[in-house]
Amino acid sequence: EAQVTQNPRYLITVTGKKLTVTCSQNMNHEYMSWYRQDPGLGLRQIYYSMNVEVTDKGDVPEGYKVSRKEKRNFPLILESPSPNQTSLYFCASSFTQTSGSYEQYFGPGTRLTVT
Amino acid sequence: GENVEQHPSTLSVQEGDSAVIKCTYSDSASNYFPWYKQELGKRPQLIIDIRSNVGEKKDQRIAVTLNKTAKHFSLHITETQPEDSAVYFCAASNGNQGGKLIFGQGTELSVKP
Repeated sequence: EAQVTQNPRYLITVTGKKLTVTCSQNMNHEYMSWYRQDPGLGLRQIYYSMNVEVTDKGDVPEGYKVSRKEKRNFPLILESPSPNQTSLYFCASSFTQTSGSYEQYFGPGTRLTVT
Repeated sequence: GENVEQHPSTLSVQEGDSAVIKCTYSDSASNYFPWYKQELGKRPQLIIDIRSNVGEKKDQRIAVTLNKTAKHFSLHITETQPEDSAVYFCAASNGNQGGKLIFGQGTELSVKP
């Protein structure tokens, strides 16, 4: 089954404790992205990647890191989480040369709470 | 950079009526405009998209129109049904930037039986 997976789905942590949210896709997509969703603000892109070892900042990259060492994986790293990073996070992937489609396939979301 | 404004933020219609959601964008280089639907507690899913070389696209009860000159695009849902109730997001992208996608703030559509 074609899908995007994220782990963990729920996470409660404390300020300053480093954490990683994993994202994996099995559709051979070239593009991957991380978004955060907050009430009234819609979906805001944190980082995106156009291919292995190619990443770029989205609209709200401060406080986040990413890496794309393999085509299928795109982990999101919070080195020192703060309460303002409490949010719902979505990973998404899209695009193959074959399909030419930019449709983004979203993961199930990770609900992060930083206290 | 690109900025996308979406209106209205909430929309309530009677079942069977039409619903229209409008978005404006700022970057004239944007050439790809998708619409996503997000049901409560679920992930966003693409419902329709349009590229800048097309003025209108229709898929059953859903249609999108694009006015490049005015830099706005709209989602039209006809014969609304209760299952259309959800949050709808528009977005804009310059395809040359690969995966960069800017979303609007969302419209919460409620269809009353």
